Amino acid sequence: AQSVTQLDSQVPVFEEAPVELRCNYSSSVSVYLFWYVQYPNQGLQLLLKYLSGSTLVKGINGFEAEFNKSQTSFHLRKPSVHISDTAEYFCAVSNTGTASKLTFGTGTRLQVTL
Amino acid sequence: DVKVTQSSRYLVKRTGEKVFLECVQDMDHENMFWYRQDPGLGLRLIYFSYDVKMKEKGDIPEGYSVSREKKERFSLILESASTNQTSMYLCASSLLGTSGINEQFFGPGTRLTVL
Repeated sequence: AQSVTQLDSQVPVFEEAPVELRCNYSSSVSVYLFWYVQYPNQGLQLLLKYLSGSTLVKGINGFEAEFNKSQTSFHLRKPSVHISDTAEYFCAVSNTGTASKLTFGTGTRLQVTL
Repeated sequence: DVKVTQSSRYLVKRTGEKVFLECVQDMDHENMFWYRQDPGLGLRLIYFSYDVKMKEKGDIPEGYSVSREKKERFSLILESASTNQTSMYLCASSLLGTSGINEQFFGPGTRLTVL
């Protein structure tokens, strides 16, 4: 079985400041990792994914994440946030042979203020 | 662009009613999923389907059933709605693919309230 932990339920940050949203996973087999974003009153949208290769993954809207196998982490970062980044962010994990099933974390609410 | 649509954005039903939530995708995806989203719990998988008439239980299938008669349509059924099924319901679809791992595309969600 696999699981995902997002320790921070809310992260307040000022506009133009950097941000890191933390994600740790647990799995007995190799994993694939995802970050999704949910803007208010919308469904989820893929930000980025790690399947293999380079451990630094770049996504949409200036976000990036780094896969760290030894620390079982996949933290999401952005060097300078905008008001429009205010949303809920979900980390998810999957592995092969499970028909693309995803296990989601509980989410982190990013609140960007002026 | 892939489009996943859900029949209603908001739905109010009474305890004991039979409730149908419909989801349609237009990109010929093999996989379809139903999740419920609750504050502090994230998304939890209710059921998924990897082909027409095929279904598998997710993590929280109790109180729900599903139907997939056509590839593009995946229905979630609450046989007898209860107040603890008040939630946001999200549908998603994805390609099966050779690696088995493909992006899931989500609908906008249906916020169901059971009174």
